[in-house]
Amino acid sequence: LAKTTQPISMDSYEGQEVNITCSHNNIATNDYITWYQQFPSQGPRFIIQGYKTKVTNEVASLFIPADRKSSTLSLPRVSLSDTAVYYCLVGGLSSGSARQLTFGSGTQLTVLP
Amino acid sequence: SAVISQKPSRDICQRGTSLTIQCQVDSQVTMMFWYRQQPGQSLTLIATANQGSEATYESGFVIDKFPISRPNLTFSTLTVSNMSPEDSSIYLCSVYGTGLNTEAFFGQGTRLTVV
Repeated sequence: LAKTTQPISMDSYEGQEVNITCSHNNIATNDYITWYQQFPSQGPRFIIQGYKTKVTNEVASLFIPADRKSSTLSLPRVSLSDTAVYYCLVGGLSSGSARQLTFGSGTQLTVLP
Repeated sequence: SAVISQKPSRDICQRGTSLTIQCQVDSQVTMMFWYRQQPGQSLTLIATANQGSEATYESGFVIDKFPISRPNLTFSTLTVSNMSPEDSSIYLCSVYGTGLNTEAFFGQGTRLTVV
């Protein structure tokens, strides 16, 4: 499984856009990029997943360059409740066959008032 | 999606004892995964539990210490045996949803403190 590298921590202020970049130089052809969010005392929660270019949902956007060796999670107009740890994971398409997830160190995002 | 219920949500245990954590899923799944999250750390996979066969353990984790049961497609248990303070962690179970992606769902975790 491809290893990921993310910043350990980031600070932001309410209302700002936050971009968290993840490096995954050894990503395989059939690997997807997935981001999870974890609040204290809770299990990780799926945020967004993509394969290439840009993906957007109601929570975030995910930008993936053509070489797919990195990805950027973009959180628009963060609020205090977005303070959490964000994990970038790279894994294969399940195609009906469940595969284990390997978590990296994650990025602790702290949103300040 | 999948809804996962874990029991207990937390416990304080004496060293040398064992605790069994239950994980119930609202749908049938082929594999269930057990993770450990030590204080301030990321998640580490303990084992993969398959229905009808023995669990597959990751390096550093052994069946005698973390026996796992998987009696059916919606339920699994993880036992933390002969506990020591170093076992104090959050233990989480996880499953994949249906569909062609790697979106996983997690239980809320069991916070274990060994004294």
